[in-house]
Amino acid sequence: GENVEQHPSTLSVQEGDSAVIKCTYSDSASNYFPWYKQELGKRPQLIIDIRSNVGEKKDQRIAVTLNKTAKHFSLHITETQPEDSAVYFCAASRYSSASKIIFGSGTRLSIRP
Amino acid sequence: DAGVIQSPRHEVTEMGQEVTLRCKPISGHDYLFWYRQTMMRGLELLIYFNNNVPIDDSGMPEDRFSAKMPNASFSTLKIQPSEPRDSAVYFCASSTTGDSPLHFGNGTRLTVT
Repeated sequence: GENVEQHPSTLSVQEGDSAVIKCTYSDSASNYFPWYKQELGKRPQLIIDIRSNVGEKKDQRIAVTLNKTAKHFSLHITETQPEDSAVYFCAASRYSSASKIIFGSGTRLSIRP
Repeated sequence: DAGVIQSPRHEVTEMGQEVTLRCKPISGHDYLFWYRQTMMRGLELLIYFNNNVPIDDSGMPEDRFSAKMPNASFSTLKIQPSEPRDSAVYFCASSTTGDSPLHFGNGTRLTVT
């Protein structure tokens, strides 16, 4: 089955700097890669996703890159702000009637003022 | 749409008691997932349904756990008997397909003493 590894487990950056979180996956058939943000005490919420037919996707200060050959994908947050502090989860799945989304272990991002 | 609705929000019970968690997915979503979140193990997929049919229950920890989906608008996760190590936040999520964004409920925080 699919296995998703995520690192680092914790990340602290100065406000205004960039943050990068990396994930690798094991199933070469995976074709959908979402990222979720979970604030303390709240539910995970989708912030951006990418499918295997593109290599990069941007949404304002957030971008995700995908390298299918190497089976890894990354989340990039630029110009970080205090409200970016949260736990971020990557995930992977592949389309099939029995597909399921498997999550990485999470990265706790802290933004230093 | 009200989103995915879970109840109760908090449950405190004594070891050995039966616990039932409830979930109402978003109307029109064919997939329903039950996840368990702990600090040690992160977000674990317990079981998921497609069109009310259980597809993969390989994540269910043991026979004490069971899940049902009697119709498209309701699912339950039952633990009987409960144990202290079951203490966690249990999330229900739904999606339109197996590789589309997950919509999480607010979770049920279970404490077993």
